[in-house]
Amino acid sequence: SQQGEEDPQALSIQEGENATMNCSYKTSINNLQWYRQNSGRGLVHLILIRSNEREKHSGRLRVTLDTSKKSSSLLITASRAADTASYFCATDPAGGATNKLIFGTGTLLAVQP
Amino acid sequence: KAGVTQTPRYLIKTRGQQVTLSCSPISGHRSVSWYQQTPGQGLQFLFEYFSETQRNKGNFPGRFSGRQFSNSRSEMNVSTLELGDSALYLCASSTRESSYNEQFFGPGTRLTVL
Repeated sequence: SQQGEEDPQALSIQEGENATMNCSYKTSINNLQWYRQNSGRGLVHLILIRSNEREKHSGRLRVTLDTSKKSSSLLITASRAADTASYFCATDPAGGATNKLIFGTGTLLAVQP
Repeated sequence: KAGVTQTPRYLIKTRGQQVTLSCSPISGHRSVSWYQQTPGQGLQFLFEYFSETQRNKGNFPGRFSGRQFSNSRSEMNVSTLELGDSALYLCASSTRESSYNEQFFGPGTRLTVL
């Protein structure tokens, strides 16, 4: 399977704490994207990092990418109860000219108030 | 701008039937992709359409098909439904040919096959 792996599978933290999720993938990529999904609903795009970038910030989100290790991490700082959701990384394989994304297995984040 | 819309939101079918799901992309988006999400297999790519042409197809049987119309709206069809087809079907649209753009997902259609 081409599917990426994420860890941890589940994470429970208190409001105000930071949450870190990791993603590993298998192929060379054009970019890597992170999405959030609230309980069986649609996916919301959070951030995109290109293969030639190492770190990117967006509000309380920080994403890193290490293409030599084929891995990425998503850090959510000062978490809130509203951040409770599943988080998925998705890679755009290099060499493709389409919008196919390969998703990771996801991390279920629970932020306790 | 209105987001990606999918209809219907929920469907219940029985084995052997066929089903058609619809996706309307964000205005101006020409690429529409479809994904299947199940607890066991996660999110898997079905196919992508761009300007009415299928550009890529995932590893699904021929029972899964799709098309795109000139207004970029897309439909996917599943024939001879099986229990394992029960899933959340998501479509996503994006603006340009390159996948350097983010994809915008609809709320999904929840299909239950009995």
